[in-house]
Amino acid sequence: QVQLEESGPGLMQPSETLSLTCTVSGFSLTSNGVGWVRQPLGKGLVWMGTIWAGGSTNYNSAVQSRLSISRDTSKSQVFLKMNSLQPEDTGTYYCARQMGAPFDYWGQGVMVTVSS
Amino acid sequence: DIQMTQSPTSLAASVGESVTITCLASEDIYGSLVWYQQKPGKSPQLLIYGATILEDGIPSRFSGSGSDTQYSLKINSLQPEDFASYYCQNGLSTPWTFGGGTKLELK
Repeated sequence: QVQLEESGPGLMQPSETLSLTCTVSGFSLTSNGVGWVRQPLGKGLVWMGTIWAGGSTNYNSAVQSRLSISRDTSKSQVFLKMNSLQPEDTGTYYCARQMGAPFDYWGQGVMVTVSS
Repeated sequence: DIQMTQSPTSLAASVGESVTITCLASEDIYGSLVWYQQKPGKSPQLLIYGATILEDGIPSRFSGSGSDTQYSLKINSLQPEDFASYYCQNGLSTPWTFGGGTKLELK
């Protein structure tokens, strides 16, 4: 069955670089896209970026200058790297499979707190 | 960017009732509208895509409608497990934008 699992540090300091890993199973990264969605505590969903089956990427312009999404297809892993973290980057980060626009399978999410 | 505006932001209803949540896009999204359900402490779950197409495994009491800029999610005969937050998403073009959410609470 399709599964996604996020991993990464829970606590970051301002100005640091966040590195998250999404490990997938049950589908191929060369056949499906994977997107990252952030949710501040108690708030709504914000798309951050997507890496598509062919390896191309799209980013939300609000974070594009700080964000990089890459993958290792041999390990079935997708990576998110975001630099210059600020407290407003605090939230739960989800990776989700994308079949076109809809996110059809989601990971359980990883909570990231940015605080000094 | 396409802005998605949901209403209401919160809604109280009883088990067995029917409710409707609306989503307004800032421009025509040609039926490319997605709905999700999110329960507290859980990740979102895909309910409907293409404005009207029910994802596999989603109960038929959920239905979607709409076109152009106006879309709706209707839940018939509310069940206890339906009390959650609901989000719409622009599925036409990046950036993929979400509505602010509707919290459906038990009256």
